[in-house]
Amino acid sequence: GNSVTQMEGPVTLSEEAFLTINCTYTATGYPSLFWYVQYPGEGLQLLLKATKADDKGSNKGFEATYRKETTSFHLEKGSVQVSDSAVYFCALRDGDMRFGAGTRLTVKP
Amino acid sequence: KAGVTQTPRYLIKTRGQQVTLSCSPISGHRSVSWYQQTPGQGLQFLFEYFSETQRNKGNFPGRFSGRQFSNSRSEMNVSTLELGDSALYLCASSSAGYNPTDTQYFGPGTRLTVL
Repeated sequence: GNSVTQMEGPVTLSEEAFLTINCTYTATGYPSLFWYVQYPGEGLQLLLKATKADDKGSNKGFEATYRKETTSFHLEKGSVQVSDSAVYFCALRDGDMRFGAGTRLTVKP
Repeated sequence: KAGVTQTPRYLIKTRGQQVTLSCSPISGHRSVSWYQQTPGQGLQFLFEYFSETQRNKGNFPGRFSGRQFSNSRSEMNVSTLELGDSALYLCASSSAGYNPTDTQYFGPGTRLTVL
């Protein structure tokens, strides 16, 4: 069945550091891929998405490219801020939604 | 457009009781999905409703049930509560549901504590 594997956290970075959170997937069809972010005490917010191979999703300085050849959708940001501290979820949708386990990011000033 | 709303935001119940959680989707959205989030198990899919019909169901016992009304609002019910049911219950809505490109939008969740 379809599944998503995310790099385990927690990840701790200093402000202005480069961020990469790895995400790989297994799917039999042609899924769409998503990154969601969850701030403390809140639900999930859509961060970005890509619906086909080679698409790049971007939002608020975050980017991820749908790589079919490596079945990956890694999240990147060039310069993180303290306000980016949250839990990040990679997800795929091919009918059902499947979520990764989540990666907790802490950014220190 | 108003987002997905869930009520109540917080609930405290005791073992053996039952609970009903409510979700109002984004206006025009016809699909509602429910998830349970716990530190140990992460996000787990409970069920999805579309046009008042349950379209898909996760691997949860029959104590967990749901329904959807003609205005797309949804409720989920948990009977005979157990300590392990303590979790954040998230509702998500999307316009049609089964299109892979269709984005799910989440509500803030209901935090259920079972004592």
